[in-house]
Amino acid sequence: EAAVTQSPRNKVTVTGGNVTLSCRQTNSHNYMYWYRQDTGHGLRLIHYSYGAGNLQIGDVPDGYKATRTTQEDFFLLLELASPSQTSLYFCASSARDWGPYEQYFGPGTRLTVL
Amino acid sequence: GDSVTQTEGLVTVTEGLPVKLNCTYQTTYLTIAFFWYVQYLNEAPQVLLKSSTDNKRTEHQGFHATLHKSSSSFHLQKSSAQLSDSALYYCALSGIASSSFSKLVFGQGTSLSVVP
Repeated sequence: EAAVTQSPRNKVTVTGGNVTLSCRQTNSHNYMYWYRQDTGHGLRLIHYSYGAGNLQIGDVPDGYKATRTTQEDFFLLLELASPSQTSLYFCASSARDWGPYEQYFGPGTRLTVL
Repeated sequence: GDSVTQTEGLVTVTEGLPVKLNCTYQTTYLTIAFFWYVQYLNEAPQVLLKSSTDNKRTEHQGFHATLHKSSSSFHLQKSSAQLSDSALYYCALSGIASSSFSKLVFGQGTSLSVVP
C-alpha cells in the first residue's frame, strides 16, 4: 500500500509568518505534488517535482516555494504567509506524471493564517 | 488548454435510487487516462476507478464509468446509492503532452449527498 505522510497536520500562524509543510513518501515514486483545496475551487496544483532537486511550477504558485531534497521528501515553504493562504494542503506522489498512474495523497495539513 | 468540467456542485439523491455524476473534458493530449477520485469527510482523495480504453465500462465498489471519446465524457454512475457514498467526487484527466511535464487535470468536484 502506498504511503504518503504529511506534517504538521494542523498549523496556525500569523500574517507574515514563516511556514514549512513537510511531505514524505515511501512509494519509491519519482513524482510528487503539492495541492491546495478550497471550497468552490477544488484541488489546485501549487508545485510539483519529478526527482530530487527538480521543481516545476504548478497552476497557483504565487507566494509559495518548494524544495525536493530527496526522492522521499518534498517541502512547501510560505515565507510571508497571508490570510489568503489559509487552506487545506495535500501532498501526493505518483510513479509517472501521465497515463493510468494514480496519485496517492497524504492526509493533508490544515493551515490557518491569522 | 486542457480542462475537466463537472457541472454539478452538489447532487442530492435518496438512498436506493440511481445516481449519475457528470464529467466532460477538453484536451489536446494524444493519449489520455481518466480517474474518478473520492474524498470522504476529513480524509484524503483516493482513486475510485480509472480508465484509458474508449467505450469500455470500468467498475469498482458498485460504481461504474465508461470513457466515451466521441462525446468527451466519463460520467460516474451507480444503480443504488448508499448513505456511505456521501462524499466529494473529482473527475480527473491525465495525458501525455508533446513536450514538458504532464499534470493531472481535476474538475471542480461534485459533492454527493445521499439522504434516507
